[in-house]
Amino acid sequence: DTGVSQDPRHKITKRGQNVTFRCDPISEHNRLYWYRQTLGQGPEFLTYFQNEAQLEKSRLLSDRFSAERPKGSFSTLEIQRTEQGDSAMYLCASSLRGGRINNEQFFGPGTRLTVL
Amino acid sequence: AQKVTQAQTEISVVEKEDVTLDCVYETRDTTYYLFWYKQPPSGELVFLIRRNSFDEQNEISGRYSWNFQKSTSSFNFTITASQVVDSAVYFCALSDAFGNEKLTFGTGTRLTIIP
Repeated sequence: DTGVSQDPRHKITKRGQNVTFRCDPISEHNRLYWYRQTLGQGPEFLTYFQNEAQLEKSRLLSDRFSAERPKGSFSTLEIQRTEQGDSAMYLCASSLRGGRINNEQFFGPGTRLTVL
Repeated sequence: AQKVTQAQTEISVVEKEDVTLDCVYETRDTTYYLFWYKQPPSGELVFLIRRNSFDEQNEISGRYSWNFQKSTSSFNFTITASQVVDSAVYFCALSDAFGNEKLTFGTGTRLTIIP
């Protein structure tokens, strides 16, 4: 088990371009979360999936953001028409939700997005 | 709404000193979980501990210890005999128990251990 992986690790794009990030969770984990972290701040929740179902989206997630998790495995986060304010570290985490146990979330290394 | 406050933005101590990182939280849930994560310079968040709201026993793991006090809504983290490898940003986080379990993070405390 190699943990949560994210690709790419770094992305530089010009304002107005679309970008897509990928997250591969720990294989048996049924929950997958996306967070965004800006400099000097803690991560902020964006959205999460239970298997393939997207169950909640934060108000931080504007219409330009879309996330998918086809077949309940990997997930993608797409940002359309990027803006400079989208520059941040995008973190993916996964966890195993079973019964009444709230298990810890394991984080990937993140994708650092820079919008010029 | 949930909120986590880490009032200490940066702390520097000399190696081998003890250091305590403070965390104060707010929630209306009666059942919840508290976490500490470490973010070293490499950037990847590393899980340190999870504690549920019904368990107020302090926990010790090697040089790390955690003091959970429900009466003051605090979940403080102490590193004993600090080492240079402890230098990192430490985040306290809170989640509900039966809902989406999303983590609400504090703003973090940057800890620098001076050799």
